[in-house]
Amino acid sequence: AQSVTQLDSQVPVFEEAPVELRCNYSSSVSVYLFWYVQYPNQGLQLLLKYLSGSTLVKGINGFEAEFNKSQTSFHLRKPSVHISDTAEYFCAVSDQTGANNLFFGTGTRLTVIP
Amino acid sequence: DGGITQSPKYLFRKEGQNVTLSCEQNLNHDAMYWYRQDPGQGLRLIYYSQIVNDFQKGDIAEGYSVSREKKESFPLTVTSAQKNPTAFYLCASSIADGYEQYFGPGTRLTVT
Repeated sequence: AQSVTQLDSQVPVFEEAPVELRCNYSSSVSVYLFWYVQYPNQGLQLLLKYLSGSTLVKGINGFEAEFNKSQTSFHLRKPSVHISDTAEYFCAVSDQTGANNLFFGTGTRLTVIP
Repeated sequence: DGGITQSPKYLFRKEGQNVTLSCEQNLNHDAMYWYRQDPGQGLRLIYYSQIVNDFQKGDIAEGYSVSREKKESFPLTVTSAQKNPTAFYLCASSIADGYEQYFGPGTRLTVT
């Protein structure tokens, strides 16, 4: 089975500063990796995904993530955050064996301070 | 526009009553899912369905039931057996196993 650990439950950062949201996973098989964003009282929106190929993945809203197999990590980064980036961010993993479940981390609340 | 709709956005019920949450998708996805979200926790899988007329229990299926009579629809019933039903419920769908899931806007259920 897979599991996901998001090391920081809350991350405050000043506007226009860079940010990194950390995600580590555990799996005995090859995985697909995802980052989702959730704004208050809304569903989840896919930010980016890693299925195969280049380990640096670019997503929407200027976010990117790097898959590091040796460290089993998939950290999310943005070089300069905006007020509108304030939201909850979830890392998720699924395996490549055909099982259809996504396993989610507990989320990181990003708060951008003006 | 293609997408997933959940209705209603907010739902209030008295304890002891069953309640059904609607989820409809027009993305032509085969797989559909129901998650529960509580403050400070990730999403927990309640039920999922890979094809019509077939579904499987997730991690927290007790006190819930589902049906999948049509590809587009996957309603969730929260029964009176669910000990703590107040939560935010999210429906999702995906084109195939292991691929990204697309989420609806959610239904916030409050039981008093």
